[in-house]
Amino acid sequence: EIVLTQSPATLSLSPGERATLSCRASQSVYSYLAWYQQKVGQAPRLLIYDTSNRAAGIPARFSGSGSGTDFTLTISSLEPEDFAVYYCQQRSRWPRTFGQGTKLEIK
Amino acid sequence: EVQLLESGGDLVQPGGSLRLSCVASGFPFSNYAMSWVRQAPGKGLEWVASISGSGSDTFYTDSVKGRFAISRDKSRSTLYLQMNRLTAEDTAIYYCTKDLEVAVTTVFAYWGQGIPVTVSA
Repeated sequence: EIVLTQSPATLSLSPGERATLSCRASQSVYSYLAWYQQKVGQAPRLLIYDTSNRAAGIPARFSGSGSGTDFTLTISSLEPEDFAVYYCQQRSRWPRTFGQGTKLEIK
Repeated sequence: EVQLLESGGDLVQPGGSLRLSCVASGFPFSNYAMSWVRQAPGKGLEWVASISGSGSDTFYTDSVKGRFAISRDKSRSTLYLQMNRLTAEDTAIYYCTKDLEVAVTTVFAYWGQGIPVTVSA
């Protein structure tokens, strides 16, 4: 099973700042990595798939990069609605797995 | 607009069974693979099972193989998850998800609101 390790566990930033979230895979997932956002009491929402493709309706301030085992989700300038938990997920091998999440909180 | 509406969640005793349903609308149901993803209380996300658009291909996480069965009914635009021999470890919110395409890509493009399943004596 591919283990995805996200860092940091919690990230405290202010609106307008740049956020950089990391996801590291225990083995190569090539470019098959996605990012999801989950707000309290809500279902997750797809942000990015296959490393860098934004899902429909996702603002341009969200971007993804990386390859192999190291991936990054960047939010260029935080909006108040961006404070949430973020998960990465790989679809390279079965079983599909998620990271444990990074909580992005308001500083 | 894509809508996924889950139902069937309940409190069930260990060893019991439950069938979850997910009625889909706003897109051609048979053209997309579907999946179930769950989230235990206070925990992260866990992929459970996936099915192709035609229904011919199914995939399961190891912990539910032989106990859970994913299926779909084209005429009803409904996805199902039959869950048998339930244990406390199956307690979670279960989300119905829509894939990006007909084959199982497990890019979970759309999510239902989730339905709680509690396994407890």
